[in-house]
Order: sequence, then structure tokens, then C-alpha cells
Amino acid sequence: QVKLLQSGAALVKPGDSVKMSCKASGYTFTDYIIHWVKQSHGKSLEWIGYINPYSGGTNYNEKFKSKATLTVDKSSSTAYMEFSRLTSEDSAIYYCAREVTTVVTYYFDYWGQGVMVTVSS
Amino acid sequence: DIQMTQTPSSMPASLGERVTISCRASQGISNYLNWYQQKPDGTIKPLIYYTSNLQSGVPSRFSGSGSGTDYSLTISSLEPEDFAMYYCQQYDSSRLTFGSGTKLEIK
Repeated sequence: QVKLLQSGAALVKPGDSVKMSCKASGYTFTDYIIHWVKQSHGKSLEWIGYINPYSGGTNYNEKFKSKATLTVDKSSSTAYMEFSRLTSEDSAIYYCAREVTTVVTYYFDYWGQGVMVTVSS
Repeated sequence: DIQMTQTPSSMPASLGERVTISCRASQGISNYLNWYQQKPDGTIKPLIYYTSNLQSGVPSRFSGSGSGTDYSLTISSLEPEDFAMYYCQQYDSSRLTFGSGTKLEIK
């Protein structure tokens, strides 16, 4: 069955970077685009961007363009997101999700369990 | 950005009750609207895609409707496992946006 397994919680200092992973299983990794979504404490969901594992092509929400870097390792079916120059505003839960599309549909059919990132000195 | 306004933000309801959650877009989104459920443990799953299509494995008590700027998610008869957060999400714009969420609580 399809699974997206994310890395564990991270406690990082302001100004540092954090790199989190999303390991896919149960399907051909390069067949589906992976998105990343942020959920700040007690708040809604915010789209960060996506990466196409086949081509490595990316598309970012303008708000996160200088903050997030998306990469993949096809050999291990793993997607990564690195968040840089962290501030307290970056403390949140981060999800990866698999995109499914047709001519008119575009949604996330599988989600990772989420990674809690806490930024604190 | 297309703003998605969900109402209500929280909703106390009883088992067996019929409930409707609304989602209004700041501009027409041509039915490009999805609904997700988030459980207290953080698990997120899709319920409805493209306004009214039921995701595989989702019970038929869930349904979606709408057009233009106004959309809704209806649960025909609440079960214990339905008490959770619900989010709408538009994909008319390439900059995807989510609603602010509705917390369905036990009355």
C-alpha cells in the first residue's frame, strides 16, 4: 500500500537550517509529484511547493521561495525539503503529500504523518 | 491569492445529526475544490475532489456540492469518527490555498 513516511521531529536554533525527508513506498516514486504543506500551531494549511521526482522540476509558493529547497533522491524514493534561516515563525508541522491529477482533478491522495519542527534557542 | 473562507470555524453537533460546512472563494474557482479531513493525531486524508467526487474508501454519508464561489461539504449522519477538522482547498490558481478549517465537535 502507498505510504509516505516522514522523518522525526526536529528542534533547531534560530538562524539554522533543517532538512526533513519523506520516504515513499508502495508505488513508482517517479510517477507522482510530491507537495509540501505547512501547518502552524492551531492554524490552517499553507502550500509550500512541489517537486516532480521524475524531472526534478520544482514550483514554489512565492512566500517560501527563499526559504524552502525541494530535492529528491530517486534511488531511495525519498523527497527532501530544506528550510533555511529559521525563525520562530517556521515552528510548525510540515507535511508531504502525493498529487494525483487528471484533466479536471488535482488533489492530494496520500499524506505523510507530518514532521514537527520547533525553532528555539 | 484566492482566499478561501470556511464557515463555521467550529461546530458542535450530535451523533446522527446532518451537518453542512461551507467554503467561499474570493473569486470563482470553476469547481476546482477539494475537501480534506484531519484527525486529532494529525492524519490528513482526502474526502471529496473536484467539488463532488467521493474519494475511494470514503463513506457515502459524505457529499460535496457547489459552483462559482460557494461550496459545501455535507455529512448526512454523524458517526463518532467524523469529529475532526475539515479543510477546503482550491486549485483554480496554481498557488494552492486552503480554507481556515472547521472543527467538528461533539455536542
